Amino acid sequence: AQKITQTQPGMFVQEKEAVTLDCTYDTSDPSYGLFWYKQPSSGEMIFLIYQGSYDQQNATEGRYSLNFQKARKSANLVISASQLGDSAMYFCAMRERDSNYQLIWGAGTKLIIKP
Amino acid sequence: NAGVTQTPKFQVLKTGQSMTLQCAQDMNHNSMYWYRQDPGMGLRLIYYSASEGTTDKGEVPNGYNVSRLNKREFSLRLESAAPSQTSVYFCASSRTGTSGGARTDTQYFGPGTRLTVL
Repeated sequence: AQKITQTQPGMFVQEKEAVTLDCTYDTSDPSYGLFWYKQPSSGEMIFLIYQGSYDQQNATEGRYSLNFQKARKSANLVISASQLGDSAMYFCAMRERDSNYQLIWGAGTKLIIKP
Repeated sequence: NAGVTQTPKFQVLKTGQSMTLQCAQDMNHNSMYWYRQDPGMGLRLIYYSASEGTTDKGEVPNGYNVSRLNKREFSLRLESAAPSQTSVYFCASSRTGTSGGARTDTQYFGPGTRLTVL
């Protein structure tokens, strides 16, 4: 079974609109962490935001926030007021005890912001 | 701080040639990682090193070897390159911490090496 599922291979969004990128995960480990990374066309992998399974509040970092719904096992990334520079691949990843704390990656979502 | 650096940025090899990809980090991180990324896919872990002096296999270790030279440097070697090893290779590092009772170690990535094996 897929541990990390990103169901949206690609998305087109109008500039300045909010974007939600979906990520669902599968784990029985009570201690886990969820990460979002951005990969622009230049190729580098940029860390955006982290949510721990014990964190009481949803993580936020500037225009990025994580809609963490533990019971549904989802950790959607929300980008507010999208900008042209947000066009990139976005990857969701999970770390759990059972995988010896190594990151398990989703297949990614390609986001294109339209002017 | 430079963060995580990788050399070379690009490399073309012929089948059977060998090469070493270099990675260094200046963030005093304990753990380092090597990944490969194939077109249209997420990252797959090749090897990792939880601390200086230790290395462990990841998801796709066949055809690769690694050396954790010291705390800063972690190299990846292809002994006999094959076309199936054509990929983009990323090095990453992380420092283990805890937050609210859970372990945290965000990985920070180098710029990648684009390798083509003919």
